[in-house]
Amino acid sequence: GNSVTQMEGPVTLSEEAFLTINCTYTATGYPSLFWYVQYPGEGLQLLLKATKADDKGSNKGFEATYRKETTSFHLEKGSVQVSDSAVYFCALSDSRSGGGADGLTFGKGTHLIIQP
Amino acid sequence: KAGVTQTPRYLIKTRGQQVTLSCSPISGHRSVSWYQQTPGQGLQFLFEYFSETQRNKGNFPGRFSGRQFSNSRSEMNVSTLELGDSALYLCASSPPAAGQNTEAFFGQGTRLTVV
Repeated sequence: GNSVTQMEGPVTLSEEAFLTINCTYTATGYPSLFWYVQYPGEGLQLLLKATKADDKGSNKGFEATYRKETTSFHLEKGSVQVSDSAVYFCALSDSRSGGGADGLTFGKGTHLIIQP
Repeated sequence: KAGVTQTPRYLIKTRGQQVTLSCSPISGHRSVSWYQQTPGQGLQFLFEYFSETQRNKGNFPGRFSGRQFSNSRSEMNVSTLELGDSALYLCASSPPAAGQNTEAFFGQGTRLTVV
């Protein structure tokens, strides 16, 4: 079956530090990959996505590249802000499940804390 | 444009009772999915409905059920509640052209506590 593995944290960084959150996946089909963010008391918001190998998703200074050879989709940001403190989820959707909202497989989430 | 709305936001139930949660998707969205979020298991897919039909189902017992109405609103029901059902239940909707690349829009969730 499908699975997503990511570092759970908490990850604590100082403001303006470089961020990497690792994500690797296992899928039997040809998945699309997503990063979602969850702020306290809120639901999940899509941060970025990539639909095929070598695609780079980017949004709000965050980037992630779909690496099929290493089955990875690591999230990076060059300079984090206090407002980036949240829980980040890596997720995949494969062609067998029909994708979209139906049948996303999530990692356990990484709690990111940015200190001023 | 209104987002995904889930009601109620918080709920406390007693073991053995049943509960119904409601989700109103974004206008025009026909796919609605439900997820359970717990500290131990993380986010797990429950089921997905499209045009009033269950299209996908996760690995949950039959106590968990759902339905979708003609206006795309969805309800989720849990019968014979157990302490382990305490969780944040999230609903997500997707635009009509659903596929594996389609973004899922999540509601704020319903926090269910079983005592």
